[in-house]
Amino acid sequence: EVQLVQSGGEVKKPGESLTISCKGSGYSFRSYWINWVRQMPGKGLEWMGTIDPTDSYTNYSPSFQGHVTISADKSITTVYLQWSSLKASDTAMYYCARRLPTAGFDLWGQGTLVTVSS
Amino acid sequence: SYELTQPLSVSVALGQTARITCGGNNIGSKNVHWYQHKPGQAPILVIYRDTNRPSGIPERFSGSNSGNTATLTISRAQAGDEADYYCQVWDSNTGVFGEGTKLTVL
Repeated sequence: EVQLVQSGGEVKKPGESLTISCKGSGYSFRSYWINWVRQMPGKGLEWMGTIDPTDSYTNYSPSFQGHVTISADKSITTVYLQWSSLKASDTAMYYCARRLPTAGFDLWGQGTLVTVSS
Repeated sequence: SYELTQPLSVSVALGQTARITCGGNNIGSKNVHWYQHKPGQAPILVIYRDTNRPSGIPERFSGSNSGNTATLTISRAQAGDEADYYCQVWDSNTGVFGEGTKLTVL
């Protein structure tokens, strides 16, 4: 089955670090860029950034540049989203999604809920 | 930065046609993608590159894009079509989503 499976929900305190993951299976992992999308409570979708699993080239939204890090381990077909110091405002659902150039996000993970609270 | 404008909400009677617009500067020169997002579920791609339907998406879903407006059209609306709908483009290698439109089927 073609799928993206994300790691489970997390509850963290402000200032803590966190890494969540997205594992692709059932397709050629290197053929699709993986993206991360945030949805804050009651809000819309926001594109955070993307990675080419082939060479780990990354591109970030200016809104997220410097606050998160996207990385990949192609040997285990997994992409990561990392925070070094969480804020309460990072509380959100995070989705990974794959895409081909000029195409939309045709496959999404199930989402990872991150809750940051003191 | 590039901005996409969607109506906050659209209502449609059961069986009628819903049209959701997505406005942007010269959006007709870009590829527009549309997503359906229901509560508790991951978003689903319903239209890609303006007019194309992924496999498994009913023919009732169609798209157009010209000038400063892209439109998602849902014909013969069903109760199951109730969801938030987002348009999305790429601008200077940056992904941009519209604010989302809540579709209510009456």
